[in-house]
Amino acid sequence: DQQVKQNSPSLSVQEGRISILNCDYTNSMFDYFLWYKKYPAEGPTFLISISSIKDKNEDGRFTVFLNKSAKHLSLHIVPSQPGDSAVYFCAASITSGSRLTFGEGTQLTVNP
Amino acid sequence: GAVVSQHPSRVICKSGTSVKIECRSLDFQATTMFWYRQFPKQSLMLMATSNEGSKATYEQGVEKDKFLINHASLTLSTLTVTSAHPEDSSFYICSASRQRAKNIQYFGAGTRLSVL
Repeated sequence: DQQVKQNSPSLSVQEGRISILNCDYTNSMFDYFLWYKKYPAEGPTFLISISSIKDKNEDGRFTVFLNKSAKHLSLHIVPSQPGDSAVYFCAASITSGSRLTFGEGTQLTVNP
Repeated sequence: GAVVSQHPSRVICKSGTSVKIECRSLDFQATTMFWYRQFPKQSLMLMATSNEGSKATYEQGVEKDKFLINHASLTLSTLTVTSAHPEDSSFYICSASRQRAKNIQYFGAGTRLSVL
């Protein structure tokens, strides 16, 4: 049972434009969500997170939006840069616990 | 801050040998550490959760006798793959979380294990 799903395995965007990565979840107990960026043969790097009491969190070029009624979150990267090319994983957790449930990842390619 | 070091980054071993992977939190105390496995083009699969000073909690389907986890201090956890076989070849990644922000996990760089 895949509780966190990223339906787009890949996304290609032109440099300077907006990248929008999407993630859906099924478990209504999830109340904390995170985005990680991963390069090949490296561990994931934490990017940004959001608590379910908010619907938006912004950090520089990265903004995460949460729609609880739709059980959907998205990561916006503006403007996109070639160095952003990587696999992006969304993850979810229940605050009272500590385990993360990851999506399958989306390969983002930003073309110069 | 929040740096996690994982060693070795790559290991090649013969079938039947044991391999130990170390995971250290360099600038914080990690009350909980996690071990993941990633197959090519797939997501990270949690293998086990370990808390300092107690036995690890293994996910369903993970053999605890094959994947020995020790979390002897607040900054070090080790994963030992015992009697490794070619099917154990994979990318193993550890992570650690702090007590005051336990929802955020910080990951090591991973270990590529190849069993011949």
